[in-house]
Amino acid sequence: SQQGEEDPQALSIQEGENATMNCSYKTSINNLQWYRQNSGRGLVHLILIRSNEREKHSGRLRVTLDTSKKSSSLLITASRAADTASYFCATVSYNNNDMRFGAGTRLTVKP
Amino acid sequence: DVKVTQSSRYLVKRTGEKVFLECVQDMDHENMFWYRQDPGLGLRLIYFSYDVKMKEKGDIPEGYSVSREKKERFSLILESASTNQTSMYLCASSWELDQPQHFGDGTRLSIL
Repeated sequence: SQQGEEDPQALSIQEGENATMNCSYKTSINNLQWYRQNSGRGLVHLILIRSNEREKHSGRLRVTLDTSKKSSSLLITASRAADTASYFCATVSYNNNDMRFGAGTRLTVKP
Repeated sequence: DVKVTQSSRYLVKRTGEKVFLECVQDMDHENMFWYRQDPGLGLRLIYFSYDVKMKEKGDIPEGYSVSREKKERFSLILESASTNQTSMYLCASSWELDQPQHFGDGTRLSIL
């Protein structure tokens, strides 16, 4: 069963703009992770944020977590055409460490 | 870098055939996973294994079985392939269940 749900399903922006993707979930989590998938390839881990953290940065990526709202966001700043991919959030359950993925957001960055 | 290798990128089989999908990881990870990915449904967990010869059902195990005889290898078996098993299959591995998973590039399986 899916845990995280990403929003929007698809996002199209111009190069240089910021891209924000959201993830909502339903149960208590241990941590939340974001992954990227280029077309026809496997997923690549981007960033992990623990349940007691509120914000994390990695290069042009910024992830926030609001456990009271059961939501997370992934911000990609100054986007590039090479950022075109699908982005998935994955929640790790607090109870049993089960990891579940959402359906993903398909990001298109136009040059 | 961790490398997860899936034996085939593309595979075409016929209904009723027994199909084997192989996955090998080179980082001595305890945990290995099989997912299927379908448009609009994201990744759905079929089976995972936390040790040699140990396995646990995921969310959609029906029609599938798995084998883990060696730590580095995790096989997914379709006992009698059906057209509704046409999908992208992804293998992954990890150190701990709550830690990031490392994925192979997937096998796109078509059942005719």
